[in-house]
Amino acid sequence: RKEVEQDPGPFNVPEGATVAFNCTYSNSASQSFFWYRQDCRKEPKLLMSVYSSGNEDGRFTAQLNRASQYISLLIRDSKLSDSATYLCVVNGFNNNDMRFGAGTRLTVKP
Amino acid sequence: EAQVTQNPRYLITVTGKKLTVTCSQNMNHEYMSWYRQDPGLGLRQIYYSMNVEVTDKGDVPEGYKVSRKEKRNFPLILESPSPNQTSLYFCASSSFTTTENTGELFFGEGSRLTVL
Repeated sequence: RKEVEQDPGPFNVPEGATVAFNCTYSNSASQSFFWYRQDCRKEPKLLMSVYSSGNEDGRFTAQLNRASQYISLLIRDSKLSDSATYLCVVNGFNNNDMRFGAGTRLTVKP
Repeated sequence: EAQVTQNPRYLITVTGKKLTVTCSQNMNHEYMSWYRQDPGLGLRQIYYSMNVEVTDKGDVPEGYKVSRKEKRNFPLILESPSPNQTSLYFCASSSFTTTENTGELFFGEGSRLTVL
């Protein structure tokens, strides 16, 4: 079983749609959680951290469920510019414990 | 401008020909790391460095070497490349240490390596 699992997609949605991604992780000792965004042929960049209480940044909402060991990312009112691959990242006690999911690809169409 | 710079960005080489991918960061970060990204597998850590002269193996270190003689540079060395090392490589750096876990890694633009 992979340490961090994501649905690879692709998710193809129309502009304005709401889309949600889930990510499950296997290490119950994981301490911190993140979503990174990776555009085609580019490097990953931090989108947002995921806090236990859930957090929102504009159209993006991230949630953590420790009991079920999954995190989610909700994108409301999708824009064409949201098209990218979204990487789920889970970290242990040390920064060298970072584990990346394989990514979920999103395409937003006009 | 704060950045992580990798070179070369693209390279085609042949089996057994030693090569080095350079990585340099200008943010005075202690932590640096190398990853490879392959389809369906996500990023996998090759080696990391917590500070100058401190390096350690990640999950897939076989066939690679690194050095950290200066804080800003962290080259990745393939002594005898093989076709299974064909991949997209990313260098990353961060200011956080073992006790401060903000999680933000700053990545270079990537180096696409093909070994024939």
